[in-house]
Amino acid sequence: GAGVSQSPRYKVAKRGQDVALRCDPISGHVSLFWYQQALGQGPEFLTYFQNEAQLDKSGLPSDRFFAERPEGSVSTLKIQRTQQEDSAVYLCASARASNTEAFFGQGTRLTVV
Amino acid sequence: RKEVEQDPGPFNVPEGATVAFNCTYSNSASQSFFWYRQDCRKEPKLLMSVYSSGNEDGRFTAQLNRASQYISLLIRDSKLSDSATYLCVVNMRGSSNTGKLIFGQGTTLQVKP
Repeated sequence: GAGVSQSPRYKVAKRGQDVALRCDPISGHVSLFWYQQALGQGPEFLTYFQNEAQLDKSGLPSDRFFAERPEGSVSTLKIQRTQQEDSAVYLCASARASNTEAFFGQGTRLTVV
Repeated sequence: RKEVEQDPGPFNVPEGATVAFNCTYSNSASQSFFWYRQDCRKEPKLLMSVYSSGNEDGRFTAQLNRASQYISLLIRDSKLSDSATYLCVVNMRGSSNTGKLIFGQGTTLQVKP
């Protein structure tokens, strides 16, 4: 596709449920980033990949968060045993190379009830 | 101290005003710098890259001061449509020698008629 695609756009999860968020980057983009954005805040870095390699996962808030990009294209962010504090918009971005501008998907709005 | 810091504002200005936003970053090895714009409940979109010599795009001017680790964005002749949150973004060098993009909190601009 022409842009970064994320699914689902909206997700309501019961506390304790596992969720999986999908990101389809722009074709050929090497770098892929995941961010968490709370209302009124800037996007907070979670993790990033260069091709299939996860080069930095320092932003993942706990071991309940896991991300993968097994073939260097589509990525999945998984959150296990969701908590209310996980409620946020999860943004995915991709970039052609490691120091070029990133393009964002529309995000997945996760609400944990 | 946050890696990228911005004054959250809000900046309330009349149409036609000139407004400037500032941003400081902590990692002196950072190599790439960007300004993004984010409208309410939308994803961030690239406004402009920031180059060492400074650069201009219409009414928008970006400056970089590496010695002071400081980035600025100047908007001249503000329009109502400029109302948004402006995010300062810095490419941080990681241990793998490739960068992750770190966002500031964002500065909110409201242009009034």
